[in-house]
Amino acid sequence: EMQLAESGGGLVKPGGSLRLSCAASGFTFSSHWMTWVRQAPGKGLEWVANIKHDGSEINYLDSVKGRFTISRDNAKDSLYLQLNSLRAEDTAVYYCAKSRGLTYWGQGTLVTVSS
Amino acid sequence: QTVVTQEPSFSVSPGGTVTLTCGLSSGSVSSSYYASWHQQTPGQAPRTLIYNTNIRSSGVPDRFSGSILGNKAALTITGAQADDECDYYCVLNMGSGIWVFGGGTKLTVL
Repeated sequence: EMQLAESGGGLVKPGGSLRLSCAASGFTFSSHWMTWVRQAPGKGLEWVANIKHDGSEINYLDSVKGRFTISRDNAKDSLYLQLNSLRAEDTAVYYCAKSRGLTYWGQGTLVTVSS
Repeated sequence: QTVVTQEPSFSVSPGGTVTLTCGLSSGSVSSSYYASWHQQTPGQAPRTLIYNTNIRSSGVPDRFSGSILGNKAALTITGAQADDECDYYCVLNMGSGIWVFGGGTKLTVL
């Protein structure tokens, strides 16, 4: 059975950092693009970043460029999102999803940016 | 900047058929936008219904279907049920590796 399990969320002060992880199982992780999507409290879904199966192509939402870094470790079937210089408006549940077309979702991890 | 548009809300009677749409503030949606549709109930993670315009995700009932209607992507739900009442999001490939979600449609079944 396919599974995506996010972890690493928590409460952080403005300007702080967090590293989110997404552990994949049940499919050939190294063959698929992977994506991060977020959802602020009470708001809609927002695409954040994606990464090609081999890491050779990466794309970001404009508002996170230079602050967030997406990466992957195919040997560990894991996807990551490094969040730096966090702002209050980054507060959201962060989901990882399989492929560019978001064909399968994890359960999400909550990031709260507050002083 | 092009915005992805969805109806903010829609209502359907139990057993009825409803078509939700996903358009662009400027231009037309075609199959090259690789539209996907996602269902979300409050407090839960999204669930993929349709990807690549019209491919039904594993385990999704065939009363959910995706298509291009005119200049928009469309999600049609036939035989609406009470548990179809939730939020529906589309997302489009805008090119240059960037994807953009619509604002979501809140579907009421009554």
